[in-house]
Amino acid sequence: QQQVKQSPQSLIVQKGGISIINCAYENTAFDYFPWYQQFPGKGPALLIAIRPDVSEKKEGRFTISFNKSAKQFSLHIMDSQPGDSATYFCAASKRNNAGNMLTFGGGTRLMVKP
Amino acid sequence: GAGVSQSPSNKVTEKGKDVELRCDPISGHTALYWYRQSLGQGLEFLIYFQGNSAPDKSGLPSDRFSAERTGGSVSTLTIQRTQQEDSAVYLCASSSQGDNSPLHFGNGTRLTVT
Repeated sequence: QQQVKQSPQSLIVQKGGISIINCAYENTAFDYFPWYQQFPGKGPALLIAIRPDVSEKKEGRFTISFNKSAKQFSLHIMDSQPGDSATYFCAASKRNNAGNMLTFGGGTRLMVKP
Repeated sequence: GAGVSQSPSNKVTEKGKDVELRCDPISGHTALYWYRQSLGQGLEFLIYFQGNSAPDKSGLPSDRFSAERTGGSVSTLTIQRTQQEDSAVYLCASSSQGDNSPLHFGNGTRLTVT
């Protein structure tokens, strides 16, 4: 059962454009939604995260939009740069003080053309 | 400070052989996770440790897979009688105790079964 669905699988954007990646989840118990960025040969690294008590969170050029009723959330990268070219994973987990077991989406490979 | 360290970075083995993958988490991190990433795919959860115990082994794909953690630190993932479908990047992550603490990933071990 794929609990977090991510789209598109790949995305090509021109430098300066907006990159948009979408995710949908099924488990209503999820209450923490991070995005991870992965460069080739490296492990994923936390980029930005949101909880469902807010509809939007912005950190620099990166914004998460969250729609609780639709069980969807998205990552927007404004003014996309070639250095943003990477694979992006959305994820979800339930609040848990003992750990943070994330369920990941399938990933989006972003290429930003100069 | 030092991040999560995994060894070896690459491992080529013959079908039917056993392999051991090692993970050194960030010092002080109580939670440790193993994920598997197949080529171009998302991250598949394998197992999670809280201290030395594994409350969730639900992701282990078969009884050929096992993992242990000693001293609340180093973890070893063992795959017995490897099969070609075991070829993947095995990622380890650790996190501190606390509500939805971020996962810090190592760079993974790329396992190739020939």
